[in-house]
Amino acid sequence: SAVISQKPSRDICQRGTSLTIQCQVDSQVTMMFWYRQQPGQSLTLIATANQGSEATYESGFVIDKFPISRPNLTFSTLTVSNMSPEDSSIYLCSGRQGGMNTEAFFGQGTRLTVV
Amino acid sequence: AQSVTQPDIHITVSEGASLELRCNYSYGATPYLFWYVQSPGQGLQLLLKYFSGDTLVQGIKGFEAEFKRSQSSFNLRKPSVHWSDAAEYFCAVGAQGGSEKLVFGKGTKLTVNP
Repeated sequence: SAVISQKPSRDICQRGTSLTIQCQVDSQVTMMFWYRQQPGQSLTLIATANQGSEATYESGFVIDKFPISRPNLTFSTLTVSNMSPEDSSIYLCSGRQGGMNTEAFFGQGTRLTVV
Repeated sequence: AQSVTQPDIHITVSEGASLELRCNYSYGATPYLFWYVQSPGQGLQLLLKYFSGDTLVQGIKGFEAEFKRSQSSFNLRKPSVHWSDAAEYFCAVGAQGGSEKLVFGKGTKLTVNP
């Protein structure tokens, strides 16, 4: 499967600021996704990043808080805006080549702490 | 809507012992099922997947899983656990309706005692 490079791997941010997380895939992928993993919890899908159009957000997540870009088939960014301590989580990007019978592969994650 | 249940939050086994991690799913059609492993501070790595065919699936690192439609289960097994298997394990199912997203269970944390 393809390899995703995600950065930064971790950051400590002040409340009220924003952080942009980048994911670069080493080959073109059909689908990209952004997940949040709160401490000791499972993965919750934030949104599907659509190439050349607005992302598709899951219930409970909004574009103003988590703007996403996907300018091409190998790159995506997630911004966590106006951060609060409740945003402290691991954020993971994922790619999938498309089709129900393909697996998803993941970046290493970004561990975000908001103080 | 599809869902995944991993009944065991935390399992402890001794090194060399056998392992079975449980996964039950709820899905209206033929599921696509996955097991992922997450080591501390790492992303998720695919262990194995089931799409169709043989219900016993072999994966990496000596893991296998068996799809049982009658029980809506996809349990992960390993005959002899190594200390390096200590990690968090997630079961996931492919979603309905043409969406490509995966739905994950809450995970099972595995501790291996020497």
